[in-house]
Amino acid sequence: EAQVTQNPRYLITVTGKKLTVTCSQNMNHEYMSWYRQDPGLGLRQIYYSMNVEVTDKGDVPEGYKVSRKEKRNFPLILESPSPNQTSLYFCASSQFSGLGTDTQYFGPGTRLTVL
Amino acid sequence: GENVEQHPSTLSVQEGDSAVIKCTYSDSASNYFPWYKQELGKRPQLIIDIRSNVGEKKDQRIAVTLNKTAKHFSLHITETQPEDSAVYFCAAINTGGFKTIFGAGTRLFVKA
Repeated sequence: EAQVTQNPRYLITVTGKKLTVTCSQNMNHEYMSWYRQDPGLGLRQIYYSMNVEVTDKGDVPEGYKVSRKEKRNFPLILESPSPNQTSLYFCASSQFSGLGTDTQYFGPGTRLTVL
Repeated sequence: GENVEQHPSTLSVQEGDSAVIKCTYSDSASNYFPWYKQELGKRPQLIIDIRSNVGEKKDQRIAVTLNKTAKHFSLHITETQPEDSAVYFCAAINTGGFKTIFGAGTRLFVKA
């Protein structure tokens, strides 16, 4: 079954404790992206990757890191989480068509709480 | 920076009526405009999309229109049903399809 998976689905942590949220897709998509969703603000892009070893900043990259060492995986790293990073996080992937990115498929989301 | 404005933030309609959600984008290089539906506690899912070389697209009760000159696109849902109740997001993606900007979302209530 074609899918995007994220782990963990729920995480409660404390300020400053490094964490990683994993994202994996089995559709051989070139494009992967991370978003955070906050009430009233919609989905805001954190980082995206056009292919292996190629990443770029979205609108809200501060406090986050990513890596793309393999095509299927795109982990999101919070080196020193702070309470303002409490949010719902979504990973998404898509292939490229001749006109750019195609439909983005979203993972199930990770609800992160930083105390 | 680039942004997408989406209106209204909340929309309540009677079952069977039509619903219209509007988005305006700022980046003139945007050329792909998807619409996503997000039900409570679930992930966003694509319901319809349009590219800049097309003015209108329809899929059963859902249609999207695009006015590139005005940088404006809209979602139209006809004959609304209670299961259409959800949050709807528009998005604009620039040429080459890399950076994605979402609108803030519209919460649609369809009253039976």
